[in-house]
Amino acid sequence: SQQGEEDPQALSIQEGENATMNCSYKTSINNLQWYRQNSGRGLVHLILIRSNEREKHSGRLRVTLDTSKKSSSLLITASRAADTASYFCATDGSDYKLSFGAGTTVTVRA
Amino acid sequence: EPEVTQTPSHQVTQMGQEVILRCVPISNHLYFYWYRQILGQKVEFLVSFYNNEISEKSEIFDDQFSVERPDGSNFTLKIRSTKLEDSAMYFCASSEAGTGQILSGANVLTFGAGSRLTVL
Repeated sequence: SQQGEEDPQALSIQEGENATMNCSYKTSINNLQWYRQNSGRGLVHLILIRSNEREKHSGRLRVTLDTSKKSSSLLITASRAADTASYFCATDGSDYKLSFGAGTTVTVRA
Repeated sequence: EPEVTQTPSHQVTQMGQEVILRCVPISNHLYFYWYRQILGQKVEFLVSFYNNEISEKSEIFDDQFSVERPDGSNFTLKIRSTKLEDSAMYFCASSEAGTGQILSGANVLTFGAGSRLTVL
C-alpha cells in the first residue's frame, strides 16, 4: 500500500513544548504532504515537501523527508492550544490519488 | 479564500435508501475527489474524477457508489442503497493539478467541511 503510517497515534504535550510526529511509507513518491484536521472538520493542507527536498519550514512547522528510509517527520515548535488536532501525512500513489495514514492526534495542554 | 462547499452537512437516512451528497469544488480546479472517514478512523480514498470521468477508485467504491458532474460546478456522490456501514463523514476535495505532479502548490487538495451520513 502507498499510504503513509503516522507514529505515534497520540501525543499529549504542554503548551510551549515541541511536538514531533513521524510518517513512514512504502513505495516511491513525487511528494509528501501534511494535513491537519480539527475535530469534526475537513483536512487543511499544511506543507508539501518534494522528493528531492530534505527539509522544509513554514512558520512553526518543520518537515523532513528521508527517501532512503521512506520516512518523514513533522515538528511543531512552541505549541499552542490551537495546535490541538489530528495530523496526517499523505503520499501520492498516482496522479489521481492522495493516500492518508491513520493520523497522529495531538493534544496541547494549557 | 476559495472554498469547497458540501451539502448537506448532516443527513440521516434509513438503510436501503438512496443518498446524494453534493459538492461545489473550487472553480478553476480540474481534479475532484471523494474521501470518507468512519468516526475516529483514517481518511479513506473513494474515487477521483478528472476530465469528466473516473480516474481512479478504491475497493470501497463498489457498484453502490457513483459520481457525477452534472453541470459546470457541482460534483455529486450517490449511494444507491445505503448500508449501516456507510455511516461516516464524507469529504469532497479538489485540486488544480494531479496529486503526483511536481507543480508548486497546484497538487494540494482543498477539502470541504464534510457531510456526515448516518444510516439507521
